[in-house]
Amino acid sequence: DIQMTQSPSSLSASVGDRVTITCQASQDITKYLNWYQQKPGTAPKLLIFDASILETGVSSRFSGSGSGTYFTFTISSLQPDDIATYYCHQYDEVPYSFGQGTKLEIK
Amino acid sequence: EVHLVESGGGLVKPGGSLTLSCTASGFDFSRYTIHWVRQAPGKGLEWVSYISGSTNSISYADSVKGRFTISRDNSKNSVSLAMDGLRVEDTAVYYCARSAFVVVVAAPFDFWGQGAVVTVSS
Repeated sequence: DIQMTQSPSSLSASVGDRVTITCQASQDITKYLNWYQQKPGTAPKLLIFDASILETGVSSRFSGSGSGTYFTFTISSLQPDDIATYYCHQYDEVPYSFGQGTKLEIK
Repeated sequence: EVHLVESGGGLVKPGGSLTLSCTASGFDFSRYTIHWVRQAPGKGLEWVSYISGSTNSISYADSVKGRFTISRDNSKNSVSLAMDGLRVEDTAVYYCARSAFVVVVAAPFDFWGQGAVVTVSS
């Protein structure tokens, strides 16, 4: 099974800051890596798929990069509405797996 | 507009059974794979199972294999997850989600339901 190691597990930043989250896969998943945002009490929302493709309607402040086993997710300028937990997700092979999540808070 | 709505959650005793349903609208249901993903209280996301649009491809996480059964009725735009032998550790919010790409099983999950709460407790 593919293990996804996401870091950090929590992050406190100021409005306007550039924020980066990393996700490392235990084996090569090529580009099959997605990023989701989950706000409390709601379902996850797809932000980035195939490592770097912005889902339709998602703010361009969000971006993703990487391939193989190492991936990054960046918010270019943190806004109050970005407060949420973010998850990476691999769909290269079954069982599909998620990172443990990064809880983002405003400083 | 794409909508997924889960139903059937509730409180059940350990060893009991429960069936969740996911009813979809707003897209050509029979062409899309549907997944179940769960989230235990205060925890992260765990993929549970998927069923392809034509039902010829089904898969389960090891944690539920042999206890959960996924099925679908394309005439009713619905997917079911029959859960038997429930354990305390199955307590979670269960989401159904759609694979983003037509026909292809492996894809991002682009639309999610609001979730159904399953509590396993004596």
